[in-house]
Amino acid sequence: QKEVEQNSGPLSVPEGAIASLNCTYSDRGSQSFFWYRQYSGKSPELIMSIYSNGDKEDGRFTAQLNKASQYVSLLIRDSQPSDSATYLCALYNQGGKLIFGQGTELSVKP
Amino acid sequence: GAGVSQTPSNKVTEKGKYVELRCDPISGHTALYWYRQSLGQGPEFLIYFQGTGAADDSGLPNDRFFAVRPEGSVSTLKIQRTERGDSAVYLCASSFKRETEAFFGQGTRLTVV
Repeated sequence: QKEVEQNSGPLSVPEGAIASLNCTYSDRGSQSFFWYRQYSGKSPELIMSIYSNGDKEDGRFTAQLNKASQYVSLLIRDSQPSDSATYLCALYNQGGKLIFGQGTELSVKP
Repeated sequence: GAGVSQTPSNKVTEKGKYVELRCDPISGHTALYWYRQSLGQGPEFLIYFQGTGAADDSGLPNDRFFAVRPEGSVSTLKIQRTERGDSAVYLCASSFKRETEAFFGQGTRLTVV
């Protein structure tokens, strides 16, 4: 089992819709979780961090964490074409290593 | 500096040559991470430093790869006897301390011909 798993996509949503990106992880000891956005040819950019169970909202972005189910998600409301990118789920394992999923490619169609 | 800085941005080298990739982290950040990313894949962990010491180097693929951070700030990733399979984007990130938000540099694109 991979330490961090994401569907590679592509996920295609129409402009204005909600995009839902999901991530599961294997290390029950992980406490810190992150979502990064990566545009083609660019480096990853941190967009959300979440440390506690529940929801965390920042503008159009909501991160959701369920440690019992070992599941992290990112919702993007009112999706815009500029949100088209690859979204990377990341976490620190118990050893302090920051590890990433393979990323989900999101395409927002005008 | 204001952000993580990586040099060079691009490096083309011949198979068998030695290369050094440099990472200058955000000032005051004690943790520094190196990753390798191939097209369509997520960043692959190589090594991370806490201060001057390598806390986890389990991702280094073989003994041709080595990294140092002698003064707890700038880090250098060194690759000996480069192979075409080493071609990738090498990313560096830093964080204030362990388990906090990490920020990436712009990456070094290494091409081995």
